[in-house]
Amino acid sequence: GAVVSQHPSRVICKSGTSVKIECRSLDFQATTMFWYRQFPKQSLMLMATSNEGSKATYEQGVEKDKFLINHASLTLSTLTVTSAHPEDSSFYICSARDGTGRGTYGYTFGSGTRLTVV
Amino acid sequence: AQTVTQSQPEMSVQEAETVTLSCTYDTSESNYYLFWYKQPPSRQMILVIRQEAYKQQNATENRFSVNFQKAAKSFSLKISDSQLGDTAMYFCAFMNNNNDMRFGAGTRLTVKP
Repeated sequence: GAVVSQHPSRVICKSGTSVKIECRSLDFQATTMFWYRQFPKQSLMLMATSNEGSKATYEQGVEKDKFLINHASLTLSTLTVTSAHPEDSSFYICSARDGTGRGTYGYTFGSGTRLTVV
Repeated sequence: AQTVTQSQPEMSVQEAETVTLSCTYDTSESNYYLFWYKQPPSRQMILVIRQEAYKQQNATENRFSVNFQKAAKSFSLKISDSQLGDTAMYFCAFMNNNNDMRFGAGTRLTVKP
């Protein structure tokens, strides 16, 4: 079945530094990937839609200059949290859909990245 | 904009019994997809079951089944013969034709031995 690999699973960084999170589709091509943020005991909030070869579409209230998304290939999307602050600490999850339309109409999720900014 | 509402923050059930989790949604679209995802303590999102809005027949996957009421915009999940491994957060999700997926607030289900 479809597999999405997300790396790293955990990262601790200092305030003011940048952190890159990778999301890879291992056995399918993903023309579209999604990035979510999940606070403790809360739901997943869509941050942005990442489209291969074009600019990402950000949800209202999400700072595009802080959360840089790059979808340079059909199997890789990256989320870079720039100039991280403690309030950026959260659980970030990516998801992808098989671009050929195979499989379910749902999405395959990565295993998530727990970001802690100190 | 579509909204998904899960009105039960927490539920519990005895092992081997049946439990139903509620979900309602709001949309003006006629064609869409609905899902239930499970998020265990590992936080990996796992697809439990899905339903296409154009299908009248309720989806079933082994011990999991849904009651899809399109007119009422309701999409409940029934778990039969509950097992300890079913303990998790359950999220109801809605996806429109633009492929945007939105989640409800979640229901924390605890299966008690």
